[in-house]
Amino acid sequence: NAGVTQTPKFRVLKTGQSMTLLCAQDMNHEYMYWYRQDPGMGLRLIHYSVGEGTTAKGEVPDGYNVSRLKKQNFLLGLESAAPSQTSVYFCASSYTLFVAAFSNQPQHFGDGTRLSIL
Amino acid sequence: GENVEQHPSTLSVQEGDSAVIKCTYSDSASNYFPWYKQELGKGPQLIIDIRSNVGEKKDQRIAVTLNKTAKHFSLHITETQPEDSAVYFCAATPGGSYIPTFGRGTSLIVHP
Repeated sequence: NAGVTQTPKFRVLKTGQSMTLLCAQDMNHEYMYWYRQDPGMGLRLIHYSVGEGTTAKGEVPDGYNVSRLKKQNFLLGLESAAPSQTSVYFCASSYTLFVAAFSNQPQHFGDGTRLSIL
Repeated sequence: GENVEQHPSTLSVQEGDSAVIKCTYSDSASNYFPWYKQELGKGPQLIIDIRSNVGEKKDQRIAVTLNKTAKHFSLHITETQPEDSAVYFCAATPGGSYIPTFGRGTSLIVHP
């Protein structure tokens, strides 16, 4: 049981290049999330998905696109990389108990992708 | 939307001392409050959580308290050990939202 796996772990890009970050979870979770972590800024939500085929914008979505074609995978794309997108990117997943009164469940995080854009 | 403030940003203690990290939230509809520990080079991992129908929860050396009236919750670590050194994040989630808002993190340093 691997949990949440992110690939690649490290990447260096040049300004203007594009790339895709892959997140895979094997826990059959409905919800998946992409965050970026910058020093002193905590975790900021980029996009999230409530299920296969659905995505929604988070707090800082500009410059990123996402897709959730399969329940277990959540892809984050950078269309034209900029130095301001240098960051550590974390994927997370969680399940929900939609019919329960207290239905929120904890998130499970991957170990991150460290992305530098020159 | 929800706003979560976390203090202090850095906390330095001696091994064996207690450590307390405090968070406040703004949305009275929040009812789930997890705490995560992030070690260097790793992703955050849940260490304890509390729901709004409970005022306190304890797991060995870690405890969390919640004051719904004042809208604040705290993480307490007793008998700290060097392996407790990490960044700790609090979060608050409004009921039915499933989208947590995180604090900015506290870097805990435990000196041997």
